[in-house]
Amino acid sequence: EVQLVESGGGLVKPGGSLRLSCVASGFTFSSYNFNWVRQAPGRGLEWVSSISGTGTNIYYADSVKGRFTISRDNLKNSLYLQMNALRAEDTAVYLCARDADLDHWGQGTLVTVSS
Amino acid sequence: QPVLTQPPSASATPGQRVTVSCSGSRSNIGSNSVNWYQHLPGSAPKLLISGNNQRPSGVPDRFSGSKSGTSASLAISGLQSEDEADYYCATWDDSLNGRVFGGGTKLTVL
Repeated sequence: EVQLVESGGGLVKPGGSLRLSCVASGFTFSSYNFNWVRQAPGRGLEWVSSISGTGTNIYYADSVKGRFTISRDNLKNSLYLQMNALRAEDTAVYLCARDADLDHWGQGTLVTVSS
Repeated sequence: QPVLTQPPSASATPGQRVTVSCSGSRSNIGSNSVNWYQHLPGSAPKLLISGNNQRPSGVPDRFSGSKSGTSASLAISGLQSEDEADYYCATWDDSLNGRVFGGGTKLTVL
């Protein structure tokens, strides 16, 4: 069974940093692209970043470019999102999703940016 | 503002058929296939339709997708109370070099 479990969310002050993790199981992790998607309170889904299976190809939404860094460790079946220079508008539930089709999703981890 | 445009809400009674539209442009829907997702608050989103009209294993055939030009649609027939959820379209945008979502449509089963 495919499982994706996010962690690392929490309360952080504006300008602060946070590192999210997504641990995968139930499939060959290195064979798949991965994505981070977020949902701000009362808003819709917003794509944040994607990374290819080898980590060679990486894409970011303009709203996070230069502040967020996506990475993966295929030996640990883990996906990461390093978030720096956080802003109030980054407050959201962050979800990881597998493959270009986003065919499996985790439940998400809540990031709150507030002073 | 989301790149893809969806109606914010839709409603129908059990047993009826409802459609949700998704409008984009040449650089996104016009050039790439569209996926649809069902999202119940507090749960993980679920892939309903991929490649414009393909249902993943386990998705009932009451759900169907279509695409024409720069627009796409999700149809749900034989509506059931458990279909009450938020529905999102998504695709890749060649100009933005990123994935884009619609704003979501909240479906109410009356």
